[in-house]
This record gives sequence, structure tokens and C-alpha cells, in this order.
Amino acid sequence: GESVGLHLPTLSVQEGDNSIINCAYSNSASDYFIWYKQESGKGPQFIIDIRSNMDKRQGQRVTVLLNKTVKHLSLQIAATQPGDSAVYFCAENTGGFKTIFGAGTRLFVKA
Amino acid sequence: DADVTQTPRNRITKTGKRIMLECSQTKGHDRMYWYRQDPGLGLRLIYYSFDVKDINKGEISDGYSVSRQAQAKFSLSLESAIPNQTALYFCATSDWRRAYNEQFFGPGTRLTVL
Repeated sequence: GESVGLHLPTLSVQEGDNSIINCAYSNSASDYFIWYKQESGKGPQFIIDIRSNMDKRQGQRVTVLLNKTVKHLSLQIAATQPGDSAVYFCAENTGGFKTIFGAGTRLFVKA
Repeated sequence: DADVTQTPRNRITKTGKRIMLECSQTKGHDRMYWYRQDPGLGLRLIYYSFDVKDINKGEISDGYSVSRQAQAKFSLSLESAIPNQTALYFCATSDWRRAYNEQFFGPGTRLTVL
């Protein structure tokens, strides 16, 4: 069945280091992928997205990589800051309304 | 960011009680969604609506109902709350004019059913 999963439930990084959060998806028909950030007490917020015709997209301090061959998605955060501490979700959809969310990875940033 | 608001933010109730959660949005989006979030699980879709009075079941609609009487409002009801409906509930919106479905979420309602 369709699923979007994350390799690690928690990730701890030192402030200033780069963070990499991974995600696996199983629906080869998915053509749009999104990363959301959820801070404590708040709803998920859009970080960055990527379409299936791309393999890399960069934002401010964040980069998303898509490997369709192995159905893998990753979020890279450069120079991780305390404010980056949150739960990060990957999500996929097939161009319609239906979005499938992963369980999330909690990122801890150590000062 | 108050584009999508939810009330109440926290609610404790007893088994068997009827509960209504409200969602309002000022984004002008036509599509609205209700999700629940449980520890260790991703967001799961309860109901969604593409327009006023349009209602569609999601993957876990049993025990819930919704109402969309205006474009800006989408309410979720638990007709007779049970303890396993204890969860964090999120409302979201999206714009049909976008080919890809970026959703905008409210701050969530934490519901506890005793």
C-alpha cells in the first residue's frame, strides 16, 4: 500500500552542524513532495517542495534531494540552529488533493 | 500567522459527550481538511471539503461528522466522544488553483476524552 516513512524517529545534532533528515516513499506515481516543520504547540508549516521532474531544490539553508530510483527523499539543513528544533514531516501527493504524511522525525539541536 | 485558526485550542471532555471543533480561515481557499495526529503516526485525514456543502470522507471518518456552511468555516463534530479519539486535531486549507497541493495548517486542537 501507499506509505511515507522516515528512517529515524529522532535526530540530535550539534548547533552549527548540518542536519540530514531522510524519508522513504512507496508510491511510484507520486509526483510532488513536501517537507513540513512542526514546532511544539503549532501546526505543520511548509518548508520546501520538489516535483518529480527535479532531483534537487534549494531554499534558504535547506536543500531537498529526490532520488526516484530508490524512492528516497531527504532534507538537508545547513548550519543547524536551535530554532530548527522541531518535528519534520515529509509528504507526497500525486498532483491531486490527497497528501500522505510520514510519521515525522524529531530534530534536537544541542548548543 | 492567523490565516487558519482553530477553537478551542485545548479541550477535556468525558466519554459520550458531543464535541465540536471549529476552523476558520482568511486565506480565501476553497479546500479545507480535518486531520488527526497521534504520537508516532503521521497526519491522518478525517474529512475534506472542496466547497461549501461539499463533504467527503477521509481514511478515518467513523465517529466524526463535519459541516461546511461557509467557505471560510469548517467544523468537526464528535457525536459521542470516546477515549481513543484523544488526539491532536488539525484543520488545513489549500487552493484549487495550484496544481500541487500545498496545505496550510491551523495551530491544532488538543482533545482529551476521559
